[in-house]
Amino acid sequence: QQPVQSPQAVILREGEDAVINCSSSKALYSVHWYRQKHGEAPVFLMILLKGGEQKGHEKISASFNEKKQQSSLYLTASQLSYSGTYFCGTEADRGSTLGRLYFGRGTQLTVWP
Amino acid sequence: EAQVTQNPRYLITVTGKKLTVTCSQNMNHEYMSWYRQDPGLGLRQIYYSMNVEVTDKGDVPEGYKVSRKEKRNFPLILESPSPNQTSLYFCASSLNSAGGPGKNYGYTFGSGTRLTVV
Repeated sequence: QQPVQSPQAVILREGEDAVINCSSSKALYSVHWYRQKHGEAPVFLMILLKGGEQKGHEKISASFNEKKQQSSLYLTASQLSYSGTYFCGTEADRGSTLGRLYFGRGTQLTVWP
Repeated sequence: EAQVTQNPRYLITVTGKKLTVTCSQNMNHEYMSWYRQDPGLGLRQIYYSMNVEVTDKGDVPEGYKVSRKEKRNFPLILESPSPNQTSLYFCASSLNSAGGPGKNYGYTFGSGTRLTVV
């Protein structure tokens, strides 16, 4: 039930945009997005819930297509501080495995000056 | 300060020697989970707990035990560690997964425990 993330890695220049995708084979209740910098713990960015969409902070936003069981994370006008590994976490529809969060393998984002 | 505290940060041990990694949160969160992180595999759930005395297996529970006697603590126990349990471990907690429009129930992670079993 691990979601599939793409691409595996992205290299950008400051100011460029990036999109990270996350797809699941299961019906989803929520999708989480996290960023992990090297040597640190993952940090929560935002959650998208079934029936709704929530924007995050800075210039990072996300969408959630429930029918396709897909989510995308959009990073616009990237900054050096955006570098890190991005993980999506998916929570299956509430009728089944409530509370379980499955993480993808991550997308490594590198922003160069 | 709201946080998840894990101890120890680093641990080197020998095969078969029982160990416990502690995890404590001060946010009155209901959900707590243990994950292990290995290169190229992402975060894999070991065990999770929805509340006191309610725990369930994740994807990779073999060789691990947990307990949730109090809401704030969720220790991870390795009864007989083996080298394939060498990994980076994270404890995480969340208020609950109910969410709802406008709600923000993300997981807060501890700083991690790097375990080496020789």
